[in-house]
Order: sequence, then C-alpha cells, then structure tokens
Amino acid sequence: GENVEQHPSTLSVQEGDSAVIKCTYSDSASNYFPWYKQELGKGPQLIIDIRSNVGEKKDQRIAVTLNKTAKHFSLHITETQPEDSAVYFCAASTDPGGGADGLTFGKGTHLIIQP
Amino acid sequence: EAGVAQSPRYKIIEKRQSVAFWCNPISGHATLYWYQQILGQGPKLLIQFQNNGVVDDSQLPKDRFSAERLKGVDSTLKIQPAKLEDSAVYLCASSLEWQGANEKLFFGSGTQLSVL
Repeated sequence: GENVEQHPSTLSVQEGDSAVIKCTYSDSASNYFPWYKQELGKGPQLIIDIRSNVGEKKDQRIAVTLNKTAKHFSLHITETQPEDSAVYFCAASTDPGGGADGLTFGKGTHLIIQP
Repeated sequence: EAGVAQSPRYKIIEKRQSVAFWCNPISGHATLYWYQQILGQGPKLLIQFQNNGVVDDSQLPKDRFSAERLKGVDSTLKIQPAKLEDSAVYLCASSLEWQGANEKLFFGSGTQLSVL
C-alpha cells in the first residue's frame, strides 16, 4: 500500500518568514495530493490540493509543488502569521478518478510561528 | 452551511466496555468516512460509505468495530469490546461527490476516546 513520509515533524519560524513542509510518497499511481491544517481540538481542514497533471498551484500565501518523477510534494507558506500555527498533514490518494478515496496521511508537521 | 456534526466530543470507558459514536454529515453529502487518529499520527481510514453502501472497510478491525449508515445520512461507529489501543480521536468526514475531481473531504471535530 501507499506510504507517505512527512518532514519535519516540528518547524519553528519567525513571523513574516516562509515555511516549507515536504512529503514523499511510495506509490507511483498516486495522483491526488491534498494538504490539511488541524488546529487543537478540531478536525483537519483542507487548505490546498493538487493533482498529478499540475506541477504547482498557488492560493494567496499558500502554494504546493509536485514532482512526480521524484515522488515528492511540498507545501510553501509565505509571510507567515500567528494564525498559521497548527499541525499540517499531507496526504496522497491512488483513486483512478482523481478523487480522495483511500487517502494515506503523513504523520504531520507542528508549525510554530514565533512572534 | 453547517459542518459535519459529531457526538459525543469526549468519552472515557474501561477496557472491554462498548462505545458508540454518531456522525451527521453535511446536508447532501453522499459519501461518508470514519477515520481513526492516534495521538501524534495522521488520520487512518476505517470505513467509507457511498450513500448507505460500504465502499471500503479493508482497514476496519471487524472483530470489534462495526459501522452503519442505514438511511444514507447519519452514521454510527461502534467498538465492542474496547481495548487500550483504541484510545484515539475518531473523525467523521463527508464529501459531496465520490471518485472524481470534486471529491473533497470535510471533517468534523471528532470524538476523543480514552480507554482505561
């Protein structure tokens, strides 16, 4: 089955700086890669996703890049703000329809924004 | 738009007892998922429903876990008997569509289960 590795487990950055979280996956059939943000006591919230026919996607301060050859994808957050502090999860799905069936999640990155 | 509703928020039981969790998905969402999130890990899929039919239950420990979605809306997840290793947050999610580019998961806040 699919295996998703996520690094780092904890990331501390100064407010205003950029943060980068990296994930690798094992199954070359994976074609849908969402990122979730989880705040304390809440469920994961989808913040951005990318499909395998796209190399990069951007939404305001958040961007995701995908390298299918190397089987890795990354989340980039620019101009970090205190409200960005949370646990971030990457995930991968081999759903042939490009959907979210059978998502495999990474172990998460605890992002801390230092004021 | 109301989100995914789950209850209870917290549950503490002793091992070998039984417990049930309830989920009400976003209105109109045909696909419903139950995930288990152990402390310090990402969510793991337990079971997925499309309307009231099971799509994937390959990772559900069927000797002790069961789930149903009788009318294609609300769902319950049951554990009987519970073990210490079942301590986790149980997350319910729903999606408007299934197996397509618009299949996106919306999660509830979860039920935190502690087995003593």
